[in-house]
Amino acid sequence: DAKTTQPTSMDCAEGRAANLPCNHSTISGNEYVYWYRQIHSQGPQYIIHGLKNNETNEMASLIITEDRKSSTLILPHATLRDTAVYYCIVRVEGTGGFKTIFGAGTRLFVKA
Amino acid sequence: KAGVTQTPRYLIKTRGQQVTLSCSPISGHRSVSWYQQTPGQGLQFLFEYFSETQRNKGNFPGRFSGRQFSNSRSEMNVSTLELGDSALYLCASSSGHVYYGYTFGSGTRLTVV
Repeated sequence: DAKTTQPTSMDCAEGRAANLPCNHSTISGNEYVYWYRQIHSQGPQYIIHGLKNNETNEMASLIITEDRKSSTLILPHATLRDTAVYYCIVRVEGTGGFKTIFGAGTRLFVKA
Repeated sequence: KAGVTQTPRYLIKTRGQQVTLSCSPISGHRSVSWYQQTPGQGLQFLFEYFSETQRNKGNFPGRFSGRQFSNSRSEMNVSTLELGDSALYLCASSSGHVYYGYTFGSGTRLTVV
């Protein structure tokens, strides 16, 4: 199964862009990269996902390298409420379906 | 529209007992996945159900089982509870296509004493 590697923790100043990297060097051609975040014991919240192209929505931007072996989640103007654990995951096709493999995630601290 | 609903929110059980957790997916979603989250192991995939059939299974012992009903609601059962089963159990629903992500519920916090 494709796995992901992320830094354990990162700091970011409020109002600045937060850039969270992720390595997924064993990703297959049809596997999507997803980003979720989890705020203290709540269920993970979907942020964004992509296959090959860069993606942007109201929450964030996702930059995927051309070889698809790594990606970066960008929160353009981080706020204190963005403090959370961010998971970069790939959805792996299993026998007739898919399963999502979570790594340890990056704990992002946004500081005033 | 209503999100993913998990019941109960909190549960305390004794070692050796069994427990059943419930998950109601978003209306129209046919895929339900279950995850166990512990401080030491993080989020670990348990199994996924789609249209009442288990499609994928993680690396958990047979004490962990699940099922899905015709209305897509799902239950997971843990028999012969161990202290190490104390965790946050999360359910996530999806349309079932790889393009669409999961929507998670708030989880059931199980404590085994």
